[in-house]
Amino acid sequence: DAGVIQSPRHEVTEMGQEVTLRCKPISGHDYLFWYRQTMMRGLELLIYFNNNVPIDDSGMPEDRFSAKMPNASFSTLKIQPSEPRDSAVYFCASTVRPGGRNYGYTFGSGTRLTVV
Amino acid sequence: QKEVEQDPGPLSVPEGAIVSLNCTYSNSAFQYFMWYRQYSRKGPELLMYTYSSGNKEDGRFTAQVDKSSKYISLFIRDSQPSDSATYLCAMSPSGSARQLTFGSGTQLTVLP
Repeated sequence: DAGVIQSPRHEVTEMGQEVTLRCKPISGHDYLFWYRQTMMRGLELLIYFNNNVPIDDSGMPEDRFSAKMPNASFSTLKIQPSEPRDSAVYFCASTVRPGGRNYGYTFGSGTRLTVV
Repeated sequence: QKEVEQDPGPLSVPEGAIVSLNCTYSNSAFQYFMWYRQYSRKGPELLMYTYSSGNKEDGRFTAQVDKSSKYISLFIRDSQPSDSATYLCAMSPSGSARQLTFGSGTQLTVLP
């Protein structure tokens, strides 16, 4: 199993540009999460999906952020327009919860976003 | 007040030392407790998983949960330089579809 795959690993963009981050969860996992990590705020949940359906997007900071999961093997997080304060490491994670039990998440390696 | 509090450190210890990492929490509904290890420029990886109260041991690592005190700990015996990382606690209510609540992480350095 290749684990959770994120691309790109690094992204440098200019303020105002559109940024798209991509994630491929582990096959068979039915939950997918997008997190943002900064030194100041730690890990923040942005949005999560269950069976490709967005369940909770209350962590999405603004309308500039949007996420989609068109199928079970792919998700995107888009920022349009990007701002310097969006600079952070963005993680995707996936999990499966047989019987409703929580066995923890598997994280991808993250996308380091820098907005200049 | 945050739901999960974790001392950010940094914590620096000599090789071979016993390390104690701790988190406190306020939500009595939490039933699942985890520790993640995050190496620099990597994603967090699940290290230990505990359900409800008690101890769990895995090699040099021991996780303890004291629900009466709302306090969890991770002990690392015979610490190695390869244990140098940030350790995050995480927890979740029982059977809930809600996301994990993470601590802010403790940065650990084990000096050779």
